[in-house]
Amino acid sequence: RKEVEQDPGPFNVPEGATVAFNCTYSNSASQSFFWYRQDCRKEPKLLMSVYSSGNEDGRFTAQLNRASQYISLLIRDSKLSDSATYLCVVNLRNYGQNFVFGPGTRLSVLP
Amino acid sequence: NAGVTQTPKFQVLKTGQSMTLQCAQDMNHEYMSWYRQDPGMGLRLIHYSVGAGITDQGEVPNGYNVSRSTTEDFPLRLLSAAPSQTSVYFCASSYKASGGRGYEQYFGPGTRLTVT
Repeated sequence: RKEVEQDPGPFNVPEGATVAFNCTYSNSASQSFFWYRQDCRKEPKLLMSVYSSGNEDGRFTAQLNRASQYISLLIRDSKLSDSATYLCVVNLRNYGQNFVFGPGTRLSVLP
Repeated sequence: NAGVTQTPKFQVLKTGQSMTLQCAQDMNHEYMSWYRQDPGMGLRLIHYSVGAGITDQGEVPNGYNVSRSTTEDFPLRLLSAAPSQTSVYFCASSYKASGGRGYEQYFGPGTRLTVT
C-alpha cells in the first residue's frame, strides 16, 4: 500500500462547480499535513496547511480526520485558474521533516 | 528575495557522464531537500540536509551525492548518469512555520534531465 494515496482523477468540472479531493495516508504517526498545487511543468506550490480542526482560506477548505487517516480539500466556486494538479503531502515527523507526497489529482475547470 | 533557484533548467546527458545540479536559497532556511518527479508518481526524496555540514539519504539516494557547505547552497551530483535517472529534479527549502503549521516547503523551478 502506498503511504499517501489520492483520487486518481482527472476531474473535469465546469466553472463555478464545487469539487472535493480525497487523500488517505497509511502512517498513523504522521504529524502535519498539506495541500500543494502544481501547474503543468512547474514546481509545486504550497496551497495550505491542514489543521486538526479544519481550516478555510477563501474558497478552499481543508479537513483532517486523524482517526480515519483521511484528508480532504474542497474548492468552491471553481475558477479556470484552479486548473492544476493537487498534491496531498504528509510530514511523518513532528521535529524535523520527512515529507511524503501523494501522486496528485489533476483538475481541469472548463468554461 | 529570489527564493529557491536551480540551474540548469534543462540538461541532456549521455549514459556514464557526471554532472552537478545547482540549488541555492536566500531565505536562510535550515532544511533543504532534493526530489525527483516521474510521471504517475509522487515526488520522491533523494537526499536532504538539516543544516550546513549535515546531510542524509532519502527514499531514492542511489546514484546521487550531496554536500552542504553553506546554508544557501545544496548541490546534487549525479555520479554516472543512467537512463533511469531521466526525470524532473526539484530542490526545496523549508522552515518551521509558526501557529502550528509545521514545516513549510518552497520549491525551485526544477531541472529537466534526460539521459540517453
